[in-house]
Amino acid sequence: DAGVIQSPRHEVTEMGQEVTLRCKPISGHDYLFWYRQTMMRGLELLIYFNNNVPIDDSGMPEDRFSAKMPNASFSTLKIQPSEPRDSAVYFCASSIYEQYFGPGTRLTVT
Amino acid sequence: DAKTTQPTSMDCAEGRAANLPCNHSTISGNEYVYWYRQIHSQGPQYIIHGLKNNETNEMASLIITEDRKSSTLILPHATLRDTAVYYCIVRANFGNEKLTFGTGTRLTIIP
Repeated sequence: DAGVIQSPRHEVTEMGQEVTLRCKPISGHDYLFWYRQTMMRGLELLIYFNNNVPIDDSGMPEDRFSAKMPNASFSTLKIQPSEPRDSAVYFCASSIYEQYFGPGTRLTVT
Repeated sequence: DAKTTQPTSMDCAEGRAANLPCNHSTISGNEYVYWYRQIHSQGPQYIIHGLKNNETNEMASLIITEDRKSSTLILPHATLRDTAVYYCIVRANFGNEKLTFGTGTRLTIIP
């Protein structure tokens, strides 16, 4: 299995632009998680899905952030408009029980 | 989630056993102890988990005290590639509850 796949691996964008991060979970996993990691705040859970349905989005920082899971093999995290404080590494993870993390997307907003 | 307490950092000589402690004095009866690690610039990696019995897999051993208020992760023969931040997390298995990552222990393997 290829593991959790995330794209792009690096994204540099200007403030105000829309950013879309993508995730393909491990086949057969029914949970999908989006995390954000910064030096200041560490690793934070943003939102998670079970069977494509959002279960807990209490970690989503504000309305500029949205996440979707249209099917079992794909999820997106969108930031619109992006701000410099959104700069972070964004991880996607999937699980049945233990969570398996992707390599992350390093986002830089200038 | 019950909270955990871990030392901020530890060093271990290459080839020796690395013993990483974790306190979780408020753990509930249905909560498991999970260990993950994060090697620099990579996503966190699952290591091992347990409820009350000691557990061993190809990566590590997990020793949980009888009162379940603390545990120790053991890497039996540490290598340089084991240098990472190690997170101890407690959570219930039912419902696949989210993981809450603390600050972890930064383990440095010394050549």
